Amino acid sequence: NFMLTQPHSVSESPGKTVTISCTGSSGSIASNYVQWYQQRPGSAPTTVIYEDNQRPSGVPDRFSGSIDSSSNSASLTISGLKTEDEADYYCQSYDSSTVVFGGGTKLTVL
Amino acid sequence: QLQLQESGPGLVKPSETLSLTCTVSGGSISSSSYYWGWIRQPPGKGLEWIGSIYYSGSTYYNPSLKSRVTISVDTSKNQFSLKLSSVTAADTAVYYCAEWPSGYWGQGTLVTVSS
Repeated sequence: NFMLTQPHSVSESPGKTVTISCTGSSGSIASNYVQWYQQRPGSAPTTVIYEDNQRPSGVPDRFSGSIDSSSNSASLTISGLKTEDEADYYCQSYDSSTVVFGGGTKLTVL
Repeated sequence: QLQLQESGPGLVKPSETLSLTCTVSGGSISSSSYYWGWIRQPPGKGLEWIGSIYYSGSTYYNPSLKSRVTISVDTSKNQFSLKLSSVTAADTAVYYCAEWPSGYWGQGTLVTVSS
């Protein structure tokens, strides 16, 4: 079964840049789109990146997504960190026609 | 802009069937531009995909839940629904409906399985 692996947690200071990785267990992560979701405590997930690197309207350009085929990974990069960015982040892709989520990464901004 | 809203009972007894509906506004559920799905999140845990349905009516389910899940669409009401049979306490979770590819989500609804 295809799996997506994320670091359990990351932390960084306000104003800095952080990158969260999402590594595919097999195949080519570049073969299917990757989405990234932000979930603040007590709230529903919201999409910050869709189709690898597209930002929904209203998502600041501090959020960016990329794919690295050499490491079979997707990455979410958040620059100019703000305390409001503190949340859980989930990557999501596909395995045939099934949807696969990563386990989530807790971002602490301190 | 799409909006999704889940509705259904917040409490279901063990062995019974959980039924939820997602009402879509701001777009047609039968449009080929979208596909729809259900995701759940047990308390304190990560996201688990339950299943998806395409405008064609094709459905795809999480293999671990496939024997108990049915997702359907009611185009006349612009809604899609989830049925999960033979529930146990392990099915207690916040249930979300969502749209792809743009990634709109409902606010979620907590379903507790308890007698």
